[in-house]
Amino acid sequence: GALVYQYPRRTICKSGTSMRMECQAVGFQATSVAWYRQSPQKTFELIALSTVNSAIKYEQNFTQEKFPISHPNLSFSSMTVLNAYLEDRGLYLCGARVGTNTEVFFGKGTRLTVV
Amino acid sequence: QQKVQQSPESLSVPEGGMASLNCTSSDRNFQYFWWYRQHSGEGPKALMSIFSDGDKKEGRFTAHLNKASLHVSLHIRDSQPSDSALYFCAASNDSGYNKLTFGKGTVLLVSP
Repeated sequence: GALVYQYPRRTICKSGTSMRMECQAVGFQATSVAWYRQSPQKTFELIALSTVNSAIKYEQNFTQEKFPISHPNLSFSSMTVLNAYLEDRGLYLCGARVGTNTEVFFGKGTRLTVV
Repeated sequence: QQKVQQSPESLSVPEGGMASLNCTSSDRNFQYFWWYRQHSGEGPKALMSIFSDGDKKEGRFTAHLNKASLHVSLHIRDSQPSDSALYFCAASNDSGYNKLTFGKGTVLLVSP
Protein backbone atom coordinates (compact mmCIF):
# COMPACT_ATOMS: atom_id res chain seq x y z
CA GLY A 1 0.00 0.00 0.00
CA ALA A 2 0.90 3.66 -0.27
CA LEU A 3 2.30 5.21 2.88
CA VAL A 4 3.85 8.51 3.83
CA TYR A 5 6.19 8.74 6.80
CA GLN A 6 7.11 11.97 8.46
CA TYR A 7 9.83 12.55 11.02
CA PRO A 8 10.31 13.71 13.56
CA ARG A 9 6.76 13.32 14.88
CA ARG A 10 7.24 16.20 17.26
CA THR A 11 9.94 18.71 17.96
CA ILE A 12 10.57 21.66 20.21
CA CYS A 13 12.85 24.46 19.17
CA LYS A 14 13.88 27.72 20.71
CA SER A 15 12.54 30.91 19.24
CA GLY A 16 14.83 32.11 16.43
CA THR A 17 16.31 28.71 15.66
CA SER A 18 15.55 26.43 12.74
CA MET A 19 14.37 22.90 12.35
CA ARG A 20 14.18 20.47 9.46
CA MET A 21 11.44 17.95 8.87
CA GLU A 22 11.36 15.06 6.46
CA CYS A 23 8.79 13.20 4.41
CA GLN A 24 9.20 9.74 2.88
CA ALA A 25 6.80 8.17 0.37
CA VAL A 26 6.72 4.37 0.41
CA GLY A 27 4.99 2.16 -2.12
CA PHE A 28 4.47 4.80 -4.79
CA GLN A 29 6.33 7.50 -6.68
CA ALA A 30 5.50 10.94 -5.31
CA THR A 31 5.40 13.07 -8.42
CA SER A 32 4.05 15.92 -6.34
CA VAL A 33 4.48 16.75 -2.67
CA ALA A 34 2.52 19.40 -0.80
CA TRP A 35 3.44 20.79 2.59
CA TYR A 36 0.60 22.02 4.78
CA ARG A 37 0.43 23.53 8.23
CA GLN A 38 -2.54 22.67 10.40
CA SER A 39 -3.32 25.23 13.07
CA PRO A 40 -4.48 24.38 16.59
CA GLN A 41 -7.97 25.20 15.29
CA LYS A 42 -7.42 22.40 12.72
CA THR A 43 -7.44 24.74 9.71
CA PHE A 44 -5.16 23.74 6.81
CA GLU A 45 -2.80 26.21 5.17
CA LEU A 46 -0.97 25.13 2.05
CA ILE A 47 2.65 26.22 2.31
CA ALA A 48 3.96 25.04 -1.05
CA LEU A 49 3.50 22.46 -3.76
CA SER A 50 6.43 20.71 -5.36
CA THR A 51 5.82 18.89 -8.64
CA VAL A 52 8.48 16.93 -10.47
CA ASN A 53 9.94 18.85 -13.40
CA SER A 54 8.39 22.09 -12.16
CA ALA A 55 9.52 24.83 -9.83
CA ILE A 56 8.29 24.67 -6.24
CA LYS A 57 5.32 27.02 -5.92
CA TYR A 58 4.78 28.80 -2.61
CA GLU A 59 1.42 30.09 -1.48
CA GLN A 60 0.81 33.65 -0.39
CA ASN A 61 2.27 34.34 3.06
CA PHE A 62 4.87 31.61 2.68
CA THR A 63 8.30 32.06 1.13
CA GLN A 64 11.25 29.95 0.12
CA GLU A 65 13.41 32.12 2.32
CA LYS A 66 11.41 31.05 5.38
CA PHE A 67 10.40 27.51 4.39
CA PRO A 68 13.00 26.08 1.99
CA ILE A 69 11.87 22.79 0.49
CA SER A 70 13.85 20.03 -1.16
CA HIS A 71 12.26 17.35 -3.36
CA PRO A 72 15.30 15.53 -4.79
CA ASN A 73 13.60 12.32 -5.90
CA LEU A 74 10.22 10.60 -6.15
CA SER A 75 10.27 9.27 -2.61
CA PHE A 76 11.67 12.03 -0.44
CA SER A 77 11.05 15.65 0.48
CA SER A 78 12.22 17.86 3.29
CA MET A 79 11.27 21.28 4.55
CA THR A 80 13.06 23.54 6.97
CA VAL A 81 11.41 26.16 9.14
CA LEU A 82 14.01 28.89 9.41
CA ASN A 83 14.11 31.33 12.30
CA ALA A 84 11.03 29.85 13.93
CA TYR A 85 8.78 31.98 16.09
CA LEU A 86 5.60 31.38 18.04
CA GLU A 87 3.38 31.93 14.99
CA ASP A 88 5.10 29.00 13.25
CA ARG A 89 3.71 26.52 15.76
CA GLY A 90 1.47 23.82 14.42
CA LEU A 91 1.26 20.42 12.81
CA TYR A 92 3.17 20.29 9.54
CA LEU A 93 1.70 17.75 7.17
CA CYS A 94 3.25 16.31 4.05
CA GLY A 95 0.85 15.11 1.37
CA ALA A 96 2.12 13.18 -1.64
CA ARG A 97 0.42 11.89 -4.77
CA VAL A 98 1.07 10.29 -8.12
CA GLY A 99 -0.16 12.30 -11.07
CA THR A 100 -3.01 14.79 -10.88
CA ASN A 101 -6.49 14.62 -9.36
CA THR A 102 -5.51 11.47 -7.52
CA GLU A 103 -5.62 10.68 -3.84
CA VAL A 104 -3.18 12.62 -1.71
CA PHE A 105 -1.56 10.42 0.92
CA PHE A 106 -0.68 12.21 4.12
CA GLY A 107 1.82 11.46 6.82
CA LYS A 108 1.01 11.83 10.50
CA GLY A 109 2.73 15.16 10.59
CA THR A 110 5.52 16.86 12.49
CA ARG A 111 4.27 18.87 15.45
CA LEU A 112 6.39 21.96 15.97
CA THR A 113 6.46 23.72 19.31
CA VAL A 114 8.42 26.95 19.61
CA VAL A 115 9.51 28.08 23.05
CA GLN B 1 -12.89 34.47 1.67
CA GLN B 2 -12.64 30.76 2.35
CA LYS B 3 -12.99 29.03 -1.03
CA VAL B 4 -14.31 25.81 0.48
CA GLN B 5 -16.87 26.19 3.24
CA GLN B 6 -18.15 23.37 5.38
CA SER B 7 -21.16 23.00 7.63
CA PRO B 8 -21.95 22.27 10.32
CA GLU B 9 -18.82 22.93 12.38
CA SER B 10 -19.72 20.04 14.61
CA LEU B 11 -22.29 17.29 14.57
CA SER B 12 -23.44 14.70 17.08
CA VAL B 13 -25.37 11.61 16.03
CA PRO B 14 -26.33 8.46 17.91
CA GLU B 15 -24.79 5.15 16.95
CA GLY B 16 -26.69 3.73 14.01
CA GLY B 17 -27.91 7.13 12.90
CA MET B 18 -27.29 9.10 9.71
CA ALA B 19 -24.67 11.84 9.62
CA SER B 20 -24.87 14.47 6.89
CA LEU B 21 -22.00 16.85 6.18
CA ASN B 22 -22.08 19.71 3.72
CA CYS B 23 -19.56 21.58 1.63
CA THR B 24 -19.92 24.54 -0.71
CA SER B 25 -17.30 26.01 -2.99
CA SER B 26 -17.09 29.62 -4.08
CA ASP B 27 -14.75 28.87 -6.96
CA ARG B 28 -16.37 27.62 -10.17
CA ASN B 29 -13.00 26.34 -11.36
CA PHE B 30 -13.12 23.58 -8.77
CA GLN B 31 -14.12 20.37 -10.51
CA TYR B 32 -12.69 17.63 -8.31
CA PHE B 33 -13.91 17.07 -4.78
CA TRP B 34 -12.66 14.83 -2.01
CA TRP B 35 -13.73 13.94 1.47
CA TYR B 36 -10.93 13.33 3.95
CA ARG B 37 -11.18 12.05 7.50
CA GLN B 38 -8.71 12.77 10.28
CA HIS B 39 -8.65 10.90 13.55
CA SER B 40 -6.91 12.43 16.53
CA GLY B 41 -3.13 12.11 16.27
CA GLU B 42 -3.26 11.02 12.65
CA GLY B 43 -2.89 12.65 9.27
CA PRO B 44 -5.97 13.04 7.06
CA LYS B 45 -6.96 10.04 4.98
CA ALA B 46 -9.06 10.12 1.83
CA LEU B 47 -12.53 8.63 2.22
CA MET B 48 -13.76 9.12 -1.30
CA SER B 49 -13.64 11.33 -4.32
CA ILE B 50 -16.45 12.62 -6.50
CA PHE B 51 -15.92 14.29 -9.84
CA SER B 52 -19.31 13.95 -11.59
CA ASP B 53 -22.76 15.22 -10.74
CA GLY B 54 -24.93 12.84 -8.77
CA ASP B 55 -24.35 10.26 -6.09
CA LYS B 56 -21.39 8.02 -5.43
CA LYS B 57 -21.74 5.26 -2.88
CA GLU B 58 -18.98 3.35 -1.13
CA GLY B 59 -20.26 1.11 1.63
CA ARG B 60 -21.91 3.21 4.32
CA PHE B 61 -20.67 6.43 2.74
CA THR B 62 -22.50 8.32 0.00
CA ALA B 63 -21.22 11.51 -1.59
CA HIS B 64 -23.40 13.80 -3.66
CA LEU B 65 -22.17 16.50 -6.02
CA ASN B 66 -24.11 19.28 -7.69
CA LYS B 67 -21.69 21.26 -9.84
CA ALA B 68 -24.28 23.87 -10.76
CA SER B 69 -24.64 24.91 -7.13
CA LEU B 70 -21.03 23.98 -6.25
CA HIS B 71 -22.37 21.85 -3.42
CA VAL B 72 -21.06 18.51 -2.27
CA SER B 73 -22.30 16.46 0.65
CA LEU B 74 -21.30 13.34 2.52
CA HIS B 75 -23.81 11.05 4.18
CA ILE B 76 -22.76 8.34 6.58
CA ARG B 77 -25.35 5.64 7.10
CA ASP B 78 -25.41 3.47 10.26
CA SER B 79 -22.82 5.69 11.96
CA GLN B 80 -20.36 3.97 14.28
CA PRO B 81 -18.37 5.38 17.21
CA SER B 82 -15.24 4.74 15.12
CA ASP B 83 -16.57 7.27 12.60
CA SER B 84 -16.00 9.99 15.20
CA ALA B 85 -13.36 12.22 13.62
CA LEU B 86 -12.70 15.47 11.83
CA TYR B 87 -14.06 15.45 8.26
CA PHE B 88 -12.65 17.70 5.58
CA CYS B 89 -13.97 18.59 2.18
CA ALA B 90 -11.20 19.33 -0.34
CA ALA B 91 -11.35 20.61 -3.90
CA SER B 92 -9.04 21.15 -6.83
CA ASN B 93 -9.25 22.56 -10.32
CA ASP B 94 -8.11 21.22 -13.63
CA SER B 95 -4.87 23.10 -13.97
CA GLY B 96 -1.22 22.29 -14.08
CA TYR B 97 -0.93 23.58 -10.54
CA ASN B 98 -3.01 20.82 -9.04
CA LYS B 99 -3.27 21.92 -5.42
CA LEU B 100 -5.89 20.67 -3.00
CA THR B 101 -7.82 23.34 -1.09
CA PHE B 102 -9.36 22.23 2.21
CA GLY B 103 -12.38 23.47 4.12
CA LYS B 104 -12.22 24.09 7.87
CA GLY B 105 -13.69 20.72 8.71
CA THR B 106 -16.66 19.24 10.55
CA VAL B 107 -16.21 17.46 13.86
CA LEU B 108 -18.38 14.37 13.97
CA LEU B 109 -19.14 12.67 17.27
CA VAL B 110 -21.01 9.37 17.21
CA SER B 111 -22.21 8.41 20.65
CA PRO B 112 -22.83 4.77 21.63
